[in-house]
Amino acid sequence: DTEVTQTPKHLVMGMTNKKSLKCEQHMGHRAMYWYKQKAKKPPELMFVYSYEKLSINESVPSRFSPECPNSSLLNLHLHALQPEDSALYLCASSHPDRPYGYTFGSGTRLTVV
Amino acid sequence: DQQVKQNSPSLSVQEGRISILNCDYTNSMFDYFLWYKKYPAEGPTFLISISSIKDKNEDGRFTVFLNKSAKHLSLHIVPSQPGDSAVYFCAASASWAGNMLTFGGGTRLMVKP
Repeated sequence: DTEVTQTPKHLVMGMTNKKSLKCEQHMGHRAMYWYKQKAKKPPELMFVYSYEKLSINESVPSRFSPECPNSSLLNLHLHALQPEDSALYLCASSHPDRPYGYTFGSGTRLTVV
Repeated sequence: DQQVKQNSPSLSVQEGRISILNCDYTNSMFDYFLWYKKYPAEGPTFLISISSIKDKNEDGRFTVFLNKSAKHLSLHIVPSQPGDSAVYFCAASASWAGNMLTFGGGTRLMVKP
């Protein structure tokens, strides 16, 4: 298995909703990442988990809450989002011995209404 | 301030010709560089990388050149194929910064048959 799987692929949520994005990989990667990408912009790092511990939080608002239940799973819990949070949310993972070669998932296209 | 820049938002090339995508960076601490390819509605796919100790890395039709003194790298695709049409992101990383990648803004390559 050489993939990072993200679900759902598309999500529309209201500003009062609570939803979660899920990411899964079975490549033995011990670093996992959440990126946010707006249209015609580069991916922007949100969070980094290393060995299931949050190592980097790029000043992301608390309405985004990451969780890493085990070495294969990464969640992003969403609550009280704003329309400007609409974007493509990308999950990625990397191998401990090859930290720079990220494998990205296909992303979740989030629309906040 | 963007540390990684791709100054050409788009590039159009005839099939069979060479495509040259450029990337400039400002942070002299970057020591590893990568190119990612992204199709619409998909996550970025790793294409090729180069360490700062090298000035060239080749993989099939793809070659990356690094000019450290100019803080410039380029991706050459030859011969270009219509299937190469995608957005190409340059990314950079510094060993001291762990696994964080900084992305450029992307260049949309269109290869015309």
